[in-house]
Amino acid sequence: GNSVTQMEGPVTLSEEAFLTINCTYTATGYPSLFWYVQYPGEGLQLLLKATKADDKGSNKGFEATYRKETTSFHLEKGSVQVSDSAVYFCALSQAGTALIFGKGTTLSVSS
Amino acid sequence: DADVTQTPRNRITKTGKRIMLECSQTKGHDRMYWYRQDPGLGLRLIYYSFDVKDINKGEISDGYSVSRQAQAKFSLSLESAIPNQTALYFCATSDRDRGPRTDTQYFGPGTRLTVL
Repeated sequence: GNSVTQMEGPVTLSEEAFLTINCTYTATGYPSLFWYVQYPGEGLQLLLKATKADDKGSNKGFEATYRKETTSFHLEKGSVQVSDSAVYFCALSQAGTALIFGKGTTLSVSS
Repeated sequence: DADVTQTPRNRITKTGKRIMLECSQTKGHDRMYWYRQDPGLGLRLIYYSFDVKDINKGEISDGYSVSRQAQAKFSLSLESAIPNQTALYFCATSDRDRGPRTDTQYFGPGTRLTVL
């Protein structure tokens, strides 16, 4: 069945450091891929998405590229801020079905 | 006002009690979902509904039931709550498939449920 695997955290960085959170998936066909972010005490918000191979999703300085050859959708940001501290979830959806989530990666950024 | 609202936001109850969590949305979406979040496990799907007459079980539906009262309302019930149902519960919505890739989901703020 479909699944999502993302790197376990917590990830602890200093402000302005480079961020990578790895995400790989298993699915047949061509799923849509998502990164959601959950700030403390809040629900999940869509951060970015990509719907076909080689698409790059981007938002708020975050980027992720849909790599079908490596079944990956790694999240990157060149310079993190304290306000980026949150839990990040990689997810996939296939043929309009419900999302399948990874277990989440907690990011903590200190000044 | 929030597009997806959940009530209550927090609830403490005892084992064996019946509990209903409610979700309402003003986005006009056809599809609604219930997930639970547990530390280290991510979000897991409980039930989903693609329209008022369509209800489907998710990965972990045992011990739960749902009701889609209207396009905008989707309730989750725990008929007889047990301690391992202590979790954070999220409702989400998405638009019906209008072509490729209209599957972004929008989440409510969550309900924190504690079963003693």
